[in-house]
Amino acid sequence: QQQVKQSPQSLIVQKGGISIINCAYENTAFDYFPWYQQFPGKGPALLIAIRPDVSEKKEGRFTISFNKSAKQFSLHIMDSQPGDSATYFCAASNINTDKLIFGTGTRLQVFP
Amino acid sequence: NAGVTQTPKFQVLKTGQSMTLQCAQDMNHNSMYWYRQDPGMGLRLIYYSASEGTTDKGEVPNGYNVSRLNKREFSLRLESAAPSQTSVYFCASSEDRKDTQYFGPGTRLTVL
Repeated sequence: QQQVKQSPQSLIVQKGGISIINCAYENTAFDYFPWYQQFPGKGPALLIAIRPDVSEKKEGRFTISFNKSAKQFSLHIMDSQPGDSATYFCAASNINTDKLIFGTGTRLQVFP
Repeated sequence: NAGVTQTPKFQVLKTGQSMTLQCAQDMNHNSMYWYRQDPGMGLRLIYYSASEGTTDKGEVPNGYNVSRLNKREFSLRLESAAPSQTSVYFCASSEDRKDTQYFGPGTRLTVL
């Protein structure tokens, strides 16, 4: 049962371009939406997170956009760099549980 | 601080063999988690422990057991390994509910 749907599965972007990864969820009780970044051979690490009381959060070149009515959230990477090449996972959890539900991941490749 | 450590890094088992994956964290976190990562499936929660002395099933607990040995250590046991358990296993910890989860480097397990 996939409660968080992530797309695309893979993404190729040129250096300097914008990378956009989308996620959609079903459970309206979700109230925490983090994005994790994973480099090959490493464990995932928190990149940025948002709660539904705001529609956007920006940290450097990374921005989360959140649309509560559409039950969608997305990660935008501005001025994408080869060092951003990694797998990105969106996730969601609700106040009644300790558990994070992860999307299936997006493999991003940024070419010079 | 080492963060979250996992042993072993790699393991090959034959069907029916048993083994224990070890995880330890030095951040004094209350909550600990075991995930498995499979291509196209994202990260799926196997078991978690919200505090020392408690454990709960996640999304895919069948074929696994866990022990929260103390606040630092959380082990995952495969009693009779099956090829379907071939995966990369990640341990994670967090200070409390809804906090950032910190992941270990992973154990790559192959069951022949």
